[in-house]
Amino acid sequence: NAGVTQTPKFRVLKTGQSMTLLCAQDMNHEYMYWYRQDPGMGLRLIHYSVGEGTTAKGEVPDGYNVSRLKKQNFLLGLESAAPSQTSVYFCASSYPAGGKEAFFGQGTRLTVV
Amino acid sequence: QQQVKQSPQSLIVQKGGISIINCAYENTAFDYFPWYQQFPGKGPALLIAIRPDVSEKKEGRFTISFNKSAKQFSLHIMDSQPGDSATYFCAASIRSNDYKLSFGAGTTVTVRA
Repeated sequence: NAGVTQTPKFRVLKTGQSMTLLCAQDMNHEYMYWYRQDPGMGLRLIHYSVGEGTTAKGEVPDGYNVSRLKKQNFLLGLESAAPSQTSVYFCASSYPAGGKEAFFGQGTRLTVV
Repeated sequence: QQQVKQSPQSLIVQKGGISIINCAYENTAFDYFPWYQQFPGKGPALLIAIRPDVSEKKEGRFTISFNKSAKQFSLHIMDSQPGDSATYFCAASIRSNDYKLSFGAGTTVTVRA
């Protein structure tokens, strides 16, 4: 049982480049989330999804897009990377209707130079 | 602005001592208060959680104390062990708001042997 798997684990981008972060969960969870973690700021919600085909904005959505074409996958896209997007990105998933434990992936460390 | 304020930013405790981390919130609609533990290079993992109808919850050496009127909650780690050295995040969410977690800034706990 892999839980929540994030790909890639590390990436260095040049300013203006684009990339997609992939999150896959094998727990049949309805809800999926993308957070970014920065020193002294905890984790901040970027976008989330409450089911296949749905997405919604979180606290810091600017510069990011997401898609949930399949229930088990949640993709986070950066169309034109900026140094301010240097961060550690975490994907999480949770049970239907939420309210229960959110399971987190191992994170993707992204550096934009 | 962060909806959940956490303190201290870091603390050092001797093995066998008590670690105390405090959090405060303003939004009285929050109805779920989890604590997450994160080791370096890993994603956060749920440690213990409480709902506002309970004033205290204990699981092993970890206890949450909840003060609804003061809008504060805290994590106590009793008999701290070197293996407890990690970053701890308090969080809060609202059942009717898709259970999106609002995190505190985190506390790095170092337990000295």
